[in-house]
Amino acid sequence: AQSVTQLDSHVSVSEGTPVLLRCNYSSSYSPSLFWYVQHPNKGLQLLLKYTSAATLVKGINGFEAEFKKSETSFHLTKPSAHMSDAAEYFCVVTHAGNMLTFGGGTRLMVKP
Amino acid sequence: EAQVTQNPRYLITVTGKKLTVTCSQNMNHEYMSWYRQDPGLGLRQIYYSMNVEVTDKGDVPEGYKVSRKEKRNFPLILESPSPNQTSLYFCASSLTGQGTNQPQHFGDGTRLSIL
Repeated sequence: AQSVTQLDSHVSVSEGTPVLLRCNYSSSYSPSLFWYVQHPNKGLQLLLKYTSAATLVKGINGFEAEFKKSETSFHLTKPSAHMSDAAEYFCVVTHAGNMLTFGGGTRLMVKP
Repeated sequence: EAQVTQNPRYLITVTGKKLTVTCSQNMNHEYMSWYRQDPGLGLRQIYYSMNVEVTDKGDVPEGYKVSRKEKRNFPLILESPSPNQTSLYFCASSLTGQGTNQPQHFGDGTRLSIL
């Protein structure tokens, strides 16, 4: 069985400061990992994905994530937060089957 | 424009009254799925479909039905809705389901309230 834990339900940063959203996973198989973003009243949009190529993955809007197998982590970072980054972020793991498992989500707030 | 379209976007109804939420995609995707989103629980998969006439249960299938008669459509049916099915529902599709390392394309969601 696989699971995803997003370690912070809420993160608050000031505009222009770094963002760190933490995700730990467990999986019996070599996982594929994703980060999605959800803006209010909208569906989820793909930020980036890891599928066993480079461990540092770059996504849209300046986000990136690093896959660390030894720590079973896939944390999302951005060097400088923008007001438009305020949203909810989901870490997702897939496995050998055809199902996806979502983390509980992290709400990012960006203060001016 | 490539998109996943859900209808209705909002629905308030009563316990026991059958309802259907439609989902349609115009990207010729093989894989489609339904999720419910509840606070603190993220999204949980209800059902998924690898292709036409092929459907499988996800994590929380109880109280729901689906069908996949055409590639583009994947309706979600609540035969006898109950208040614990009050939630925000998302339909998603991807090119293929193999290993699901394909990114999912999500609809804008349907907010259901069952009184």
